[in-house]
Amino acid sequence: GEEVAQTPKHLVRGEGQKAKLYCAPIKGHSYVFWYQQVLKNEFKFLISFQNENVFDETGMPKERFSAKCLPNSPCSLEIQATKLEDSAVYFCASSLYRGSNQPQHFGDGTRLSIL
Amino acid sequence: KQEVTQIPAALSVPEGENLVLNCSFTDSAIYNLQWFRQDPGKGLTSLLLIQSSQREQTSGRLNASLDKSSGRSTLYIAASQPGDSATYLCAVDGETSGSRLTFGEGTQLTVNP
Repeated sequence: GEEVAQTPKHLVRGEGQKAKLYCAPIKGHSYVFWYQQVLKNEFKFLISFQNENVFDETGMPKERFSAKCLPNSPCSLEIQATKLEDSAVYFCASSLYRGSNQPQHFGDGTRLSIL
Repeated sequence: KQEVTQIPAALSVPEGENLVLNCSFTDSAIYNLQWFRQDPGKGLTSLLLIQSSQREQTSGRLNASLDKSSGRSTLYIAASQPGDSATYLCAVDGETSGSRLTFGEGTQLTVNP
């Protein structure tokens, strides 16, 4: 598609439950990025992929968070044993390739609420 | 570690005014700088991307400049309209930061009719 598509728009989970978020990048884009927006404008980088391979995972919490980008499937971000502090908006972005002239295109985000 | 700062944090102007939003970054080794717009409850809309070798980019009423050596960028909005009301974010893609964008905290703009 021509837009980054994230599902669901809003996800509510009880503390300790699992949460799984999905992202379909723009068709033909090789790079996928996940960001977490906590508070109003604080963006935290989580992980990036080059096709199905992890490119940079230095922002991922070591425990509970995992992500995948498999061929012919939406990318996913999964949080095990969710905590109240995981409540945030999770954004996915994609870019055609990694280059100085390549913008990252963002989806509308998934709002995760942990109760 | 790259740090990005945006000034002012909030700005309220009457319709028709020209305005400037400021962004500064601490590490000048960058690939590019992007300006985004975020409406409440929405994702980020890319407005302009300036490559490290460029000085400015223009799109309609928007003009963004980049002074890489001093670590500064400005977003100029001409003849502001109520529809421009949103939060404006700048983000830097650094040469040493892998692929990640480092964001400023944004400027919340309100344009009053």
